[in-house]
Amino acid sequence: EAGVTQFPSHSVIEKGQTVTLRCDPISGHDNLYWYRRVMGKEIKFLLHFVKESKQDESGMPNNRFLAERTGGTYSTLKVQPAELEDSGVYFCASSQDSRGWAFFGQGTRLTVV
Amino acid sequence: GENVEQHPSTLSVQEGDSAVIKCTYSDSASNYFPWYKQELGKGPQLIIDIRSNVGEKKDQRIAVTLNKTAKHFSLHITETQPEDSAVYFCAASVNFNKFYFGSGTKLNVKP
Repeated sequence: EAGVTQFPSHSVIEKGQTVTLRCDPISGHDNLYWYRRVMGKEIKFLLHFVKESKQDESGMPNNRFLAERTGGTYSTLKVQPAELEDSGVYFCASSQDSRGWAFFGQGTRLTVV
Repeated sequence: GENVEQHPSTLSVQEGDSAVIKCTYSDSASNYFPWYKQELGKGPQLIIDIRSNVGEKKDQRIAVTLNKTAKHFSLHITETQPEDSAVYFCAASVNFNKFYFGSGTKLNVKP
C-alpha cells in the first residue's frame, strides 16, 4: 500500500512568486492534515480536511495560504505571494479518524529567496 | 491552546545505553500522545503511541510512560543502536485531531 506522497520534494522560489504543494494521502483516509516546520522549530498544525471539507484551518498563518482538497482525494497548498518567512518543510499527513494513527509524507522543503 | 515542551533538544548516548526523552503538555483535555521518529530526508514515522487511559506501553526496546496528573510523558529506548539515531518528536492531541508537537530531540547513538 502506498504511503502519503508529497510533491515536489524541494522547491526554491523567489519572494513574491507563487508555489503549489501537493499531497496524495493514503487511499481511503478521509482525514488529511497540513503541518509546517520552520527553522528547526516544532512542527505546527496548519489545517485539517475531512474528505473535501475544511474541518479546522486555525493554523493557517494568513490569507496568502490557500488549501484545497478536490473531491476528497489529493490536496494542494498554494502560497501566493510567497514571503521569506514561509520557508520551511511542509508536511502532509492522513489518518482514519477512529484509529488515530496519522501517517506523514516525506515533506516538501520550501525555500523562499 | 495546547503547549508541548520537549527535552532535551539533543541527546548523545553510547550504543547499548538507554535514552530518555521527556515532554510536558498543558491541556488536560489531551488524551492521545504519539511519538514520531524522523530520519534524514524522510517524514516523521509513528513509532509508538499512548492513550490517556493507560500509564505505560511497551513495544520491544521502546516504551512510553504517561503521568496525567503531572501532565508529562516520556519515551524510553533501551539497548540503543546506531540506527536509532534520528530526530524524535512527541505530540499531544485531543481525540486524535490536530497534533501539537514538541520541538524535537536529536538523538545520536555513538557506535
